[in-house]
Amino acid sequence: DGGITQSPKYLFRKEGQNVTLSCEQNLNHDAMYWYRQDPGQGLRLIYYSQIVNDFQKGDIAEGYSVSREKKESFPLTVTSAQKNPTAFYLCASILDRGGTEAFFGQGTRLTVV
Amino acid sequence: EDQVTQSPEALRLQEGESSSLNCSYTVSGLRGLFWYRQDPGKGPEFLFTLYSAGEEKEKERLKATLTKKESFLHITAPKPEDSATYLCAGLNNAGNMLTFGGGTRLMVKP
Repeated sequence: DGGITQSPKYLFRKEGQNVTLSCEQNLNHDAMYWYRQDPGQGLRLIYYSQIVNDFQKGDIAEGYSVSREKKESFPLTVTSAQKNPTAFYLCASILDRGGTEAFFGQGTRLTVV
Repeated sequence: EDQVTQSPEALRLQEGESSSLNCSYTVSGLRGLFWYRQDPGKGPEFLFTLYSAGEEKEKERLKATLTKKESFLHITAPKPEDSATYLCAGLNNAGNMLTFGGGTRLMVKP
């Protein structure tokens, strides 16, 4: 079955530690996105990538980094520079060719301990 | 700057009481308007994509419509299992920016 897989589902980070969230898709979608969702708030864009080896900052990129070495994969690293990383992180992919599809993974909940 | 606004923020309905959720948008050269359902602790589940004014799509008790400035999600005779947060999002003309509204939290009581 095609879809987007995020892992892990839950992640705990110590102060000053970098952590990496995984996002893999087998939908053959070109574009991939990372969003952050805080309780009771909408989705805010962190980074997006439309093609391999290229990515753009979103509205809240500070303290985060990404890579896009393969079409299927778009990992997000939350660095120690991100001062308030506790949130729900969502990965999405979009196919815009003829019709338009935009699907999400099941999310990763990151907590600072 | 692209903007999507949803109202109301929260909506309480009795089972069987039909209503509508609103999504107002200003998105440059809208390429598609998306509706999602999100349950607590889960990723958004795709419902519909609308492309042009006048378009309508239905799925079970849900019907989405689109005008040049707004989209509506009509819920007919809702059931408690329809309780969730409903999100709408607009994709810009370049096809590279999906802008979300803040969501409407729907609660349907039996």
